Amino acid sequence: AQKITQTQPGMFVQEKEAVTLDCTYDTSDQSYGLFWYKQPSSGEMIFLIYQGSYDEQNATEGRYSLNFQKARKSANLVISASQLGDSAMYFCAMRGLDSNYQLIWGAGTKLIIKP
Amino acid sequence: KAGVTQTPRYLIKTRGQQVTLSCSPISGHRSVSWYQQTPGQGLQFLFEYFSETQRNKGNFPGRFSGRQFSNSRSEMNVSTLELGDSALYLCASSQRDSTNEKLFFGSGTQLSVL
Repeated sequence: AQKITQTQPGMFVQEKEAVTLDCTYDTSDQSYGLFWYKQPSSGEMIFLIYQGSYDEQNATEGRYSLNFQKARKSANLVISASQLGDSAMYFCAMRGLDSNYQLIWGAGTKLIIKP
Repeated sequence: KAGVTQTPRYLIKTRGQQVTLSCSPISGHRSVSWYQQTPGQGLQFLFEYFSETQRNKGNFPGRFSGRQFSNSRSEMNVSTLELGDSALYLCASSQRDSTNEKLFFGSGTQLSVL
């Protein structure tokens, strides 16, 4: 069965610093997708970045990048130059054939950016 | 292009009542899935509909049901509400099922059961 582990329940980061949010996963699928979503206090899930299991390059989307280490089953999110508006819950998720394409979620990391 | 719309935004019900939540997906999206989010259990998959057919169902009791209409709009129903059903219910839409298809979420319906 697929599983996502986020080991950091919460993090405090100084504004303008870079931050890395950890995510490890477990799956028997050869083809799968890894996602990061941001959930501000308003509740909406906002898509940040996607990495496919066969993608050779790490995904990047603006200030977000995904440090994908397939052999270690790791998909860490890196936010460069953090901003106050980055304060939110961050969820790592995965989907693949093993889960009938439903998203399997990690427990999330609460990120607080300090001014 | 309008995003995923969920109504109502907030609901307060009492134990034993039933509730219906609504979700309008992004135009052109045929897949709608529902998730329950609670502080204790995190995000859990409820069910997924594609072209009016339920394709996947999570591990929830039969009190939780849903349907999808021909215009892809979906409703979720919970009967005989229990205190533990208090949660944020999130709806997501996508064009199809595949590993690289990202889901677009609505703002959710916050259900409180008293």
